[in-house]
Amino acid sequence: GENVEQHPSTLSVQEGDSAVIKCTYSDSASNYFPWYKQELGKGPQLIIDIRSNVGEKKDQRIAVTLNKTAKHFSLHITETQPEDSAVYFCAASKGGSQGNLIFGKGTKLSVKP
Amino acid sequence: EPEVTQTPSHQVTQMGQEVILRCVPISNHLYFYWYRQILGQKVEFLVSFYNNEISEKSEIFDDQFSVERPDGSNFTLKIRSTKLEDSAMYFCASTRTSGSSYEQYFGPGTRLTVT
Repeated sequence: GENVEQHPSTLSVQEGDSAVIKCTYSDSASNYFPWYKQELGKGPQLIIDIRSNVGEKKDQRIAVTLNKTAKHFSLHITETQPEDSAVYFCAASKGGSQGNLIFGKGTKLSVKP
Repeated sequence: EPEVTQTPSHQVTQMGQEVILRCVPISNHLYFYWYRQILGQKVEFLVSFYNNEISEKSEIFDDQFSVERPDGSNFTLKIRSTKLEDSAMYFCASTRTSGSSYEQYFGPGTRLTVT
């Protein structure tokens, strides 16, 4: 079935450094790729998304890239801050569905001051 | 900023009991979803709901699960006879328009503990 692989599972960076999280997906009909940030005890918070007709999208310190040919997409966080510490999930829409999102297993990002 | 809300935040129940988890989606949203997250694992899709009926459901969403929009604001998930393996965080989400290309906003979740 459809699957989303996410790497790494944990990532530790120094404050000010960049962090990159990578995901691959299997469903060639996926056309929507959101990224969620989940802090302890809270629900996933949508931070950025990209659609299949776009290769890159940026919002301040956060950017996402998409390579449809290779079926992978990545989250880039620049100038990391301690408040960026959280679990980040990538997701891909299931082709032909009404919003069924398939999630990766998550990346626990720790930003050390 | 409008938010999805969920109640209760934590529910403890005994195996075999029925539970109802409640959600209030964002008011102008039309599509509603339930997901679950077993501790330490990925978020998994359960069901989507539009126009008072189920649009899609996963294999997890078996006969013990049901959803309902009893009034203009609430969206509920009922588990008829809970099992130990139903222990998880349950998230409600909503989106303004249809399909797989529109932003889904998640609630804070209900932690269900089945003993």
